[in-house]
Amino acid sequence: KQEVTQIPAALSVPEGENLVLNCSFTDSAIYNLQWFRQDPGKGLTSLLLIQSSQREQTSGRLNASLDKSSGRSTLYIAASQPGDSATYLCAVAGDFGNEKLTFGTGTRLTIIP
Amino acid sequence: GAVVSQHPSRVICKSGTSVKIECRSLDFQATTMFWYRQFPKQSLMLMATSNEGSKATYEQGVEKDKFLINHASLTLSTLTVTSAHPEDSSFYICTSLLGNEQFFGPGTRLTVL
Repeated sequence: KQEVTQIPAALSVPEGENLVLNCSFTDSAIYNLQWFRQDPGKGLTSLLLIQSSQREQTSGRLNASLDKSSGRSTLYIAASQPGDSATYLCAVAGDFGNEKLTFGTGTRLTIIP
Repeated sequence: GAVVSQHPSRVICKSGTSVKIECRSLDFQATTMFWYRQFPKQSLMLMATSNEGSKATYEQGVEKDKFLINHASLTLSTLTVTSAHPEDSSFYICTSLLGNEQFFGPGTRLTVL
């Protein structure tokens, strides 16, 4: 059974700093990995999707990496802003034909102005 | 991008009543949709996989007779919470599968009094 863990559970950093969020998964047979943000009381916003054959994806100030063999992914946020404050979730999809997502426990990020 | 809608966005009901939640893929057809549930301060957990024209596949611990799923068309899946109880209060999110990517609905917040 796939298990996804995110460390740390909560993180507070001053505005402008770069930061890294971590995600680990126990079964490396994944189809893809996705990072989301969730604002309080809201739904999920997809940030980046990395296919199992890819090593990283970038969108603006965000960069996500994937090391499938070691079961790890990181989300790098450059030049953090107060608007980045949210809960960040990673999720992995099983192999083709088993695309259901297993979500991590989330990291609650607070950017201090 | 692919758009998925959910209706209603928020519902409050009395214990013992049934509530139906609709999930629609607006600009694409989805053979497969997923239903997730998120309890307060927790991550998302898959409830069931909904396949058009066939019975849904439920995850372990999810009562199929309590959470009725109907996927009668390629653009609509419904989740009916029957005889709702306060412990069913949660955030319900559906996704539609397009290719190997899931597109998320905005979620439905259910409160059972």
